[in-house]
Amino acid sequence: AQTVTQSQPEMSVQEAETVTLSCTYDTSENNYYLFWYKQPPSRQMILVIRQEAYKQQNATENRFSVNFQKAAKSFSLKISDSQLGDTAMYFCAFMKPGTYKYIFGTGTRLKVLA
Amino acid sequence: ETGVTQTPRHLVMGMTNKKSLKCEQHLGHNAMYWYKQSAKKPLELMFVYSLEERVENNSVPSRFSPECPNSSHLFLHLHTLQPEDSALYLCASSMRSGTSGKNEQFFGPGTRLTVL
Repeated sequence: AQTVTQSQPEMSVQEAETVTLSCTYDTSENNYYLFWYKQPPSRQMILVIRQEAYKQQNATENRFSVNFQKAAKSFSLKISDSQLGDTAMYFCAFMKPGTYKYIFGTGTRLKVLA
Repeated sequence: ETGVTQTPRHLVMGMTNKKSLKCEQHLGHNAMYWYKQSAKKPLELMFVYSLEERVENNSVPSRFSPECPNSSHLFLHLHTLQPEDSALYLCASSMRSGTSGKNEQFFGPGTRLTVL
């Protein structure tokens, strides 16, 4: 069975600095999707970034980028130029195509400090 | 705001009550999900409906009963709940899972449920 581990329950970063959130996963699959979702306080969870396992190039969305290490089963999220609005819970998730099972980690609570 | 809405946003109920949670999506998706979110735990997938057919049921107690009358609406009927069922219940939708496409889920704001 697939598992997703986020080993950092809480993190903080100064505004305008860079922070990296870690995520590791365990699977025997070769083709899958990985996601980072953001859940701001009392607001809806939204997708931050997506990575397809067959793509070697790391995904990037504006200030958000990932470091995808398939052999190491690692999928970290880097937030550059952190903003106060980045304060949220961040969840890493795994999904095998052709199924409906999205496996989520326990989340990392990120606080951006002014 | 995404195109997934949930009502009510907050619900307090006694263990003998019967209530229902409602989810509606306006995104043209054909798969809908119920998750339970508890503090310091991973999101727990409860049920999945694809094209109005239940395709996942993760050993959820029978006191939770889902209903999907059409691809835009999803309900979770609750009866004789326990205090440990108190949590945030999230609804999500996506396009039917396949080997291609974005496979991205869109989430609703959740219903904060408290069982007394």
